[in-house]
Formats: sequence, structure tokens, C-alpha cells
Amino acid sequence: AQSVSQHNHHVILSEAASLELGCNYSYGGTVNLFWYVQYPGQHLQLLLKYFSGDPLVKGIKGFEAEFIKSKFSFNLRKPSVQWSDTAEYFCAVNAMSTGNQFYFGTGTSLTVIP
Amino acid sequence: GAVVSQHPSWVICKSGTSVKIECRSLDFQATTMFWYRQFPKQSLMLMATSNEGSKATYEQGVEKDKFLINHASLTLSTLTVTSAHPEDSSFYICSARVPGGQGLLGYEQYFGPGTRLTVT
Repeated sequence: AQSVSQHNHHVILSEAASLELGCNYSYGGTVNLFWYVQYPGQHLQLLLKYFSGDPLVKGIKGFEAEFIKSKFSFNLRKPSVQWSDTAEYFCAVNAMSTGNQFYFGTGTSLTVIP
Repeated sequence: GAVVSQHPSWVICKSGTSVKIECRSLDFQATTMFWYRQFPKQSLMLMATSNEGSKATYEQGVEKDKFLINHASLTLSTLTVTSAHPEDSSFYICSARVPGGQGLLGYEQYFGPGTRLTVT
């Protein structure tokens, strides 16, 4: 079955450490890719998105992600995390084969220790 | 930016009763809205796609007679959980497609804050 996979379920880092969260998808053809963040008690917010063009996209709060088509991946990175980055992170895919819908990965819970 | 609201933010109801959840796009018109369900510590599961003026499209395994969706206007979609049971207790999230994009791709969704449903 087609899917979106986030292999890191729970990540714990100290402040200033670098972050990389994996996201792989199995949809073929043209894809749009997204990373969303859900802070405790808040709704989903868009961190960044890839539609086309430069595969390295930059988002808010110092996050970036790289689309590697050959690897069906869209990993999220941040060079130096802060305590305020503690949240749940979701990768999402919209592909021609999924029609109008987004499909989400299982999420990665990030805890940053001060 | 685009804002999506949901009402109520939480609701407790007795088993067998029906509950209606509203999703509104506050500063834009949304021809398409989506309804998701999120279990604790899990991802969002798409339940259905709601298109203004037409019937909703349900994902496989979602009972359309139990989860009634009505997208009566360009700013409002409603989800009614009929004859609710404790297993329907969950966090329901709606989103609205932001105008623009290129057909099936190239668009964003803005998410509502969610509705916590507890069925006793």
C-alpha cells in the first residue's frame, strides 16, 4: 500500500544539537511534500513545503528540508534546536495518485532538553 | 494568513446521541475541506473530502452513514457523528484548501484547532 513513513517516533535532543527527521513516501509521479508541526495543545502549522524547483526548501524557524526524488525522501533538518522546538512533527504528501488528498506520516515527537 | 476555526473545541455526549462539529474558513472561501481523525500519539487519518455543493468523498473504511458531512457554503463544512459510541471518542480535525494551486497539486491546507469528542 502507498504510504508515508516517519521512522523516528520519538527523538530527544539537547539544546543546540542538530536535528534530522526522516520522511519517506511511496507515491510515484509528481508529488507535493509538506512538514507540519503541532506544538502541545495547538493546531497543525505549516513549517515548509515543496512543490517544484529547488529541492532544498527553507521554512520558518530555521527549518529546512531536502527533496531527494531518487530516494523518495523529504527529510527535515535544523542545525541547532531550541527548547521551544519541542513538538510533534508530521510529514505529509499530496500526489497526483492521491487525488485531492493529503496523507500524513505517523509523526515524530521531538523533545528538546534545555 | 488563512484561518480555520472549529466549534465546539470539545464536547462530551452520551452514547447513542448525535454530535455536530462545524468547520469554518474565516477569511477565505474554501471549495474543498477535509476531515481528519487523530488518535492519541498517532497521525492524522483522512476521513473524507468535503466539496461545496456536492457529496463528500469518504475514505475506505469510513462509514458515511455514521459520519455525515455537509458542505453547504464556501466557508462552512459540518461533520455529524450520528449515534455516537465510546469508540468514536477521538480528536477530529478539519482543514480547508487554500485557493490557488494547479488542479490536484500545488495547494496548501490550513488546519482548524480540532474538536475533542468524548462519548460516555
